[in-house]
Formats: sequence, structure tokens, C-alpha cells
Amino acid sequence: QKEVEQDPGPLSVPEGAIVSLNCTYSNSAFQYFMWYRQYSRKGPELLMYTYSSGNKEDGRFTAQVDKSSKYISLFIRDSQPSDSATYLCAMSASGGGADGLTFGKGTHLIIQP
Amino acid sequence: DTGVSQDPRHKITKRGQNVTFRCDPISEHNRLYWYRQTLGQGPEFLTYFQNEAQLEKSRLLSDRFSAERPKGSFSTLEIQRTEQGDSAMYLCASRYALASNEQYFGPGTRLTVT
Repeated sequence: QKEVEQDPGPLSVPEGAIVSLNCTYSNSAFQYFMWYRQYSRKGPELLMYTYSSGNKEDGRFTAQVDKSSKYISLFIRDSQPSDSATYLCAMSASGGGADGLTFGKGTHLIIQP
Repeated sequence: DTGVSQDPRHKITKRGQNVTFRCDPISEHNRLYWYRQTLGQGPEFLTYFQNEAQLEKSRLLSDRFSAERPKGSFSTLEIQRTEQGDSAMYLCASRYALASNEQYFGPGTRLTVT
């Protein structure tokens, strides 16, 4: 079992829909959680950063972390065709520490116009 | 803020050749990370620097791989005696050590070993 599990999709939704993306993890030491967006053949772009459990909202994006269930989610409201990309969850055990990020495989999202 | 830059963007090499990639982090970011990403997978951590010191290496970093950050600014990643399995996207990320672990990635160098 990998440390971070993420459904690779593809997930196809119509424009304007609410998108729900999620990851599960097994390492209870993880406490810093990130979501990245990656377009084809580009580097990952940081979308959301959350520490420990709770919600964080930024524009059309909401990130949720439930450490008790080892489950994190990203919601995208009013989805646009430009949101079509691969969404990667990433996490680490120490925010100021030495370790690199552990990523999920990424979910390929397609927003149909 | 010009972001993280990487050079070259794409490298094609023959098996057995050596290759070197360069990463320029965001200025004032003293931590620099290297990752490798293969098709359909998320990035995997390889190594990281704080200033010029290499502080952690993943078990993925075989002895054919070496990374340097001689003056604590740009970094290079060299792969010696390349193998077809080295074909991947090599990503560089940076952050400021005293900030949270939000890492900012460059565009990557795509390596193809023929």
C-alpha cells in the first residue's frame, strides 16, 4: 500500500459543476497538506496549503483535511474548462523540517464545455 | 519574482551518456528540492539542500546521481551512465526555510534516454 492513495481518474464533469477530489493517506505523522495543479508537460502549480485538520477557502477552491480519517479533499466550485488538468495532493510530516513532499498519483480532471 | 527556472527543458541522450540539469530557485529561497516524475505518477522526492548543504537523499538517488549547490544559489543534478529507466521529468522546487512547507516548482526538465 502506498503512503498516499489518489484515484487517477479520469474524472469528467460538465462546466459549472462542483468538483470533489480526494486523497487518503496512511502516515499519521503527516500534518502539512497541499494541492497542486499540473497541466500537461508543465511543472506543478501550488493551489492550496493547509496545516493539520480543518478547512481553507481561496476563491473557487476549498481544501478540507480530516486527520482522524486520514482523508483530504479539494472542492472546485463553478468549474471551468481551464480547470482541466491533473490535480496532485501532497503532504509532509514537518512544515519546517527536512523531508520532501509525498505525492499522490494525481487525478486527471476534464471539464466539459 | 521570476519563479523557479530549469534548463534545459528537454534533453534527449543515448544510453550510457552523462547529462546535467540546472535549477535556479526563487531568489531568497534557501531550500532547494529535486524530484523525479514518471508518466502517470506523482513526483518522487530525490534530495534537498539548505543553502549549499545537501541534507537529505532519497533511496531513489542511486550512486549514478549527484547533485550540487556550490554557492547556495543554483543547483545541478548530474546523471552518469544514463539508463532507459532514467527517462522522466526532473523537477526542481524551492522554498524559504523559515516559512511553511509550501514548495514552488519549476517547469521541469524532460529527459529521454534512447
